[in-house]
Amino acid sequence: AQTVTQSQPEMSVQEAETVTLSCTYDTSENNYYLFWYKQPPSRQMILVIRQEAYKQQNATENRFSVNFQKAAKSFSLKISDSQLGDTAMYFCAFMEWGDDKIIFGKGTRLHILP
Amino acid sequence: DTEVTQTPKHLVMGMTNKKSLKCEQHMGHRAMYWYKQKAKKPPELMFVYSYEKLSINESVPSRFSPECPNSSLLNLHLHALQPEDSALYLCASSQVSGGSYEQYFGPGTRLTVT
Repeated sequence: AQTVTQSQPEMSVQEAETVTLSCTYDTSENNYYLFWYKQPPSRQMILVIRQEAYKQQNATENRFSVNFQKAAKSFSLKISDSQLGDTAMYFCAFMEWGDDKIIFGKGTRLHILP
Repeated sequence: DTEVTQTPKHLVMGMTNKKSLKCEQHMGHRAMYWYKQKAKKPPELMFVYSYEKLSINESVPSRFSPECPNSSLLNLHLHALQPEDSALYLCASSQVSGGSYEQYFGPGTRLTVT
């Protein structure tokens, strides 16, 4: 069975700093997708970034980028120039190709300090 | 329009009550999901509907009864709940499985069972 591990339950950084959230996963599949979801204190979950396993190039979305290491089964999220609005719970997630089911990690609570 | 709406926002019910949660999307998505989320935990999948048919039931107790009247609507009927069922109930939608279709989440219904 697939598993997703986020080893940092909670992190705090100063505004404008760069922060990296770690995620590792375990799967025997070759085709899958990885996601980072953000859930701010208002509780609506939104997709931050996604990565297709067959793509070698790391995904980027403005200040958010990932470091996808397929062999190491690692999928970290880097937030550059962090802003107060980045304060949220961040979930790393895995989905096997062709499946409807997302496997979530336990989450990392990120605090951006003024 | 990438919005998933849920009503009500908050619900308090007794253990003998019958109530329903409602979810709506107008993105043309054909897969819809119910999740249960406890505080500081990741969402737990409950049900998946694909093309208005129930495709996944994660062994959810029968006191939770899902219904998908049409491709835009998803209901969750609640009856004889227990206090431990108190949680945030999230609805999500996506294009159907078979691709890298991320899920779009609604804001949730905060349920309290007394």
